[in-house]
Amino acid sequence: DAGVTQSPTHLIKTRGQHVTLRCSPISGHKSVSWYQQVLGQGPQFIFQYYEKEERGRGNFPDRFSARQFPNYSSELNVNALLLGDSALYLCASSLWQGASEAFFGQGTRLTVV
Amino acid sequence: AQKITQTQPGMFVQEKEAVTLDCTYDTSDPSYGLFWYKQPSSGEMIFLIYQGSYDQQNATEGRYSLNFQKARKSANLVISASQLGDSAMYFCAMREGWGDDKIIFGKGTRLHILP
Repeated sequence: DAGVTQSPTHLIKTRGQHVTLRCSPISGHKSVSWYQQVLGQGPQFIFQYYEKEERGRGNFPDRFSARQFPNYSSELNVNALLLGDSALYLCASSLWQGASEAFFGQGTRLTVV
Repeated sequence: AQKITQTQPGMFVQEKEAVTLDCTYDTSDPSYGLFWYKQPSSGEMIFLIYQGSYDQQNATEGRYSLNFQKARKSANLVISASQLGDSAMYFCAMREGWGDDKIIFGKGTRLHILP
C-alpha cells in the first residue's frame, strides 16, 4: 500500500505569490493534518480535516487555508508568500480522529525568495 | 510553558549500545497520546511508537520501547542494539484529548551512532 504522498517535493516561489500543496492520505484514512517545520525546529500544527470538515486550526495567519476533498485528499494554500514561509510542509494521515497512529508524508520543501 | 521537553539536543552513541532519549510532557488533560518519530536527513517523519495515557503497559515496537512513567510525566524512548541507520533526528510528541488531531512536537534530539 502506498504511504502518504505529497506533491510537489520541492518548490521555489517569489514573495507575494500563491502556492498550493497537495496531499493524498493512506487509503482508508479519513483524517488529514498539515504541519509546518522550519529549519532546526519541530513541526508546528496548521490544520486538521476529518470527513471534509475542518476540525482544528493552529496559530497561523489567514493567508493559510486548506480543504479536504471527497476522496480525503487535501490541499494547503498559502497566499501572499513571505520569506518566513520557507519551510518543510508535512502532511499526516490517520484512520480516524484520535487514532493511535499518525503517518507523515515525505513533505514539500518550500523556498520563498 | 513547553508542552514537550527534550533536554538532549544531541547524543553520540557507539553502535550496538542501547540508547535512551529523554522526553517529559506537560498536560492537564487525562486523555492524551504520546508519539515518537524519527526524521532522517531526507525529511520524512517516520512513526516509531505510540503510548496512550490509559495504557497500562509500556509500548514496544521491535527495537523501540517507550518507558512511560505517568506520575513523572515522562515518556523516554529506548532503542536497543543501536545501528548506524538509527542516526537521525528524533521527536517526542503529544496529542491532547480527542477534539482534534493536533500533535505537539518537542524540539528534537539529534542522535549520532558511531561505528
